Amino acid sequence: AQSVTQPDIHITVSEGASLELRCNYSYGATPYLFWYVQSPGQGLQLLLKYFSGDTLVQGIKGFEAEFKRSQSSFNLRKPSVHWSDAAEYFCAVPLSAGNKLTFGGGTRVLVKP
Amino acid sequence: GAGVSQSPSNKVTEKGKDVELRCDPISGHTALYWYRQSLGQGLEFLIYFQGNSAPDKSGLPSDRFSAERTGGSVSTLTIQRTQQEDSAVYLCASSANLMYQETQYFGPGTRLLVL
Repeated sequence: AQSVTQPDIHITVSEGASLELRCNYSYGATPYLFWYVQSPGQGLQLLLKYFSGDTLVQGIKGFEAEFKRSQSSFNLRKPSVHWSDAAEYFCAVPLSAGNKLTFGGGTRVLVKP
Repeated sequence: GAGVSQSPSNKVTEKGKDVELRCDPISGHTALYWYRQSLGQGLEFLIYFQGNSAPDKSGLPSDRFSAERTGGSVSTLTIQRTQQEDSAVYLCASSANLMYQETQYFGPGTRLLVL
């Protein structure tokens, strides 16, 4: 079955340090891939998306992600984390008719001062 | 412009009561989605609308759940005879169409607590 996996449930990072969040997918064809962020008590906000072309995608808030077909991965990165990046991050794939999103389990990021 | 709005923000109800959750999508968006976010199940799809029709209701967890959309705009998710396991955050999203690369824009959610 098609699925999205985020192996890390929690990540703690110091402010100013780099951040990498992992996302692996199981899908026959090249998927469309999304990263969303959810701040406490908020809905989901799109950070970036990949659907074709350049495998390195730039997003908002200084985030980027790289699609690697050979590793079935779409990892999210940020070179220098700010305290406001503390949130939960979700990788998602639209599957089947209707563009229903299937989400990974999420990674909660805690930023230490 | 205005984003997706949902009401109420929070709802506390007693087991067995019916509840209605409302979603107001971005104007002009033809596709509307309902998702549920709970501790045990993560984020899961419930139902989507294309215009006023709901081609896929496969994610609704039981026949106590129903949804409708009128005028191609506002949608209501109804849960009848609520159970404690219905406690969750219910998220609504809308997108311009059903193309895979279209972004789904999410509302802030309705946090439902069933006592």
